[in-house]
Amino acid sequence: KAGVTQTPRYLIKTRGQQVTLSCSPISGHRSVSWYQQTPGQGLQFLFEYFSETQRNKGNFPGRFSGRQFSNSRSEMNVSTLELGDSALYLCASSLLGMQNGNTIYFGEGSWLTVV
Amino acid sequence: GESVGLHLPTLSVQEGDNSIINCAYSNSASDYFIWYKQESGKGPQFIIDIRSNMDKRQGQRVTVLLNKTVKHLSLQIAATQPGDSAVYFCAENVENNDMRFGAGTRLTVKP
Repeated sequence: KAGVTQTPRYLIKTRGQQVTLSCSPISGHRSVSWYQQTPGQGLQFLFEYFSETQRNKGNFPGRFSGRQFSNSRSEMNVSTLELGDSALYLCASSLLGMQNGNTIYFGEGSWLTVV
Repeated sequence: GESVGLHLPTLSVQEGDNSIINCAYSNSASDYFIWYKQESGKGPQFIIDIRSNMDKRQGQRVTVLLNKTVKHLSLQIAATQPGDSAVYFCAENVENNDMRFGAGTRLTVKP
């Protein structure tokens, strides 16, 4: 069974631009959650989607958004990029979501560098 | 506020020794815990989990212990190998809440 797949793996953007990251969950998993990981802040929860609906949201500004499609694939978008947005963005999938105490499995992440 | 934390940011062990990585949590309502391993440049990898109705769970070379009295979680790795070198995170899931992660402990295995 294929794991969580994230694309692109690496990208460099300029301040003010926007970026879209993609995530394909494990087959059969309906929940997709996104995280930002930086050396200074560790792993921080962005949001969770379940059946195309945002079910849970972390404490990030509105520049960070996401969506989920009917096939459970998810995208996250960051608009008006800032230098501080440079981070590893991780996607994780689970069968029914973290609220149900399900195990979440991570992808390899997308490394974003903002210059 | 309530948080998940780790006692030690770094741990260095000799190959073949046992490793113990600790994690403290403060939310008594947490009912599900996971340990992840993250190697450099990779995403976190699930190692083992435990629910609050258990106090011990064993996997292959790993054991997780949960002490709800003192809100303490530990990961024991038997016969530590160089491939075990990584950052280890504990995570807690509070019912109807998001998953929260500890800062991580960097384990270094010396040959």
